[in-house]
Amino acid sequence: GQQVMQIPQYQHVQEGEDFTTYCNSSTTLSNIQWYKQRPGGHPVFLIQLVKSGEVKKQKRLTFQFGEAKKNSSLHITATQTTDVGTYFCAGPPTAGGTSYGKLTFGQGTILTVHP
Amino acid sequence: NAGVTQTPKFRILKIGQSMTLQCAQDMNHNYMYWYRQDPGMGLKLIYYSVGAGITDKGEVPNGYNVSRSTTEDFPLRLELAAPSQTSVYFCASSRTQHSTEAFFGQGTRLTVV
Repeated sequence: GQQVMQIPQYQHVQEGEDFTTYCNSSTTLSNIQWYKQRPGGHPVFLIQLVKSGEVKKQKRLTFQFGEAKKNSSLHITATQTTDVGTYFCAGPPTAGGTSYGKLTFGQGTILTVHP
Repeated sequence: NAGVTQTPKFRILKIGQSMTLQCAQDMNHNYMYWYRQDPGMGLKLIYYSVGAGITDKGEVPNGYNVSRSTTEDFPLRLELAAPSQTSVYFCASSRTQHSTEAFFGQGTRLTVV
């Protein structure tokens, strides 16, 4: 079945440094979503990318969807302590047809930020 | 806006006991899901529902059952709890079937001893 891999598993940065997490799918994705989970919290939707090569920005966060629609990345510029948490990518479990909103999640990247 | 509400937040079960995790949403979403999250792992889909009366298995359904008698409620039943079911359980809902934003509940942390 489809696999979604994320690297790195952990990232420790000093406040102000940049951070990037990468997501790779074993199959072509119709779209990819990114979620953030604060420690002890629940996943919260950040963004959805649909088009090949798409780039979207949210303040200090930049999201990219690969040309082949099998990989994606999230880049945070100048991290802040409020960025602490686990970042997940997720995509539909099947390449075609209706997914009914089901998602296959990557393992997540745990980000810690040292002030 | 309550969104997705899960109860209880924490529970300790003994091996062999049963329990129901409650989930309710007030957004009139047809699509609802149960995921489990184990340490260092992403979320894995247990069961999902596309509307009242319609449910189907996800990736890891063994040991669980669900029902969907109303649009709002999607309870998850654990029969004969096992230590392997120690996990954090998240209920989620989405507005459409086309992989749009999923709204998650606060989670239930379950320990089976």
